Amino acid sequence: ETGVTQSPTHLIKTRGQQVTLRCSSQSGHNTVSWYQQALGQGPQFIFQYYREEENGRGNFPPRFSGLQFPNYSSELNVNALELDDSALYLCASSLELAGGRPGDTQYFGPGTRLTVL
Amino acid sequence: DAKTTQPPSMDCAEGRAANLPCNHSTISGNEYVYWYRQIHSQGPQYIIHGLKNNETNEMASLIITEDRKSSTLILPHATLRDTAVYYCIVRSSGTYKYIFGTGTRLKVLA
Repeated sequence: ETGVTQSPTHLIKTRGQQVTLRCSSQSGHNTVSWYQQALGQGPQFIFQYYREEENGRGNFPPRFSGLQFPNYSSELNVNALELDDSALYLCASSLELAGGRPGDTQYFGPGTRLTVL
Repeated sequence: DAKTTQPPSMDCAEGRAANLPCNHSTISGNEYVYWYRQIHSQGPQYIIHGLKNNETNEMASLIITEDRKSSTLILPHATLRDTAVYYCIVRSSGTYKYIFGTGTRLKVLA
């Protein structure tokens, strides 16, 4: 049990639509990272938020965007959905270390399975 | 971050030790070795990590070679519930992302 929850569990959308995925982490986990995992592949880093600001981004287009809120929750938004966006979306949180920097060990939620038709 | 190489699959008999190797020959001095596992379509589960010394916790042991170019994750008494994909990751302290490979699919056999 990592204390990281994600909603919804499953989601079906059609091409061109927009989707919002949600993540909630435990108190003190000021860093949240989002990953996309296609079937049969390892997770691919999308971006990270630390103290409500983007702290790094992987090779994903701008239609993938995020928000982090003060209550340790966050969102991943994907606009103009494409068929290839079908994947398991994972969020991971880490504890803020003394001195005010993101912790290194990430704890993952169960994921949201997105299907784009 | 350094790349890692893992065998695509391994089998292990239930009750025996499972030894999962990982090669990270280009690892640099400030990079940690992390191990995660993912049980069918669930989120990856943190197992253990280390820098230079061998590490042990309630789940597993991590053996890192002296030159740090490879490591082995040891599950001392594998059970059927240990069947999963195991990922070896190296990352620098303070960098913001994990780079996952395709991992090792471990099947524990009854």
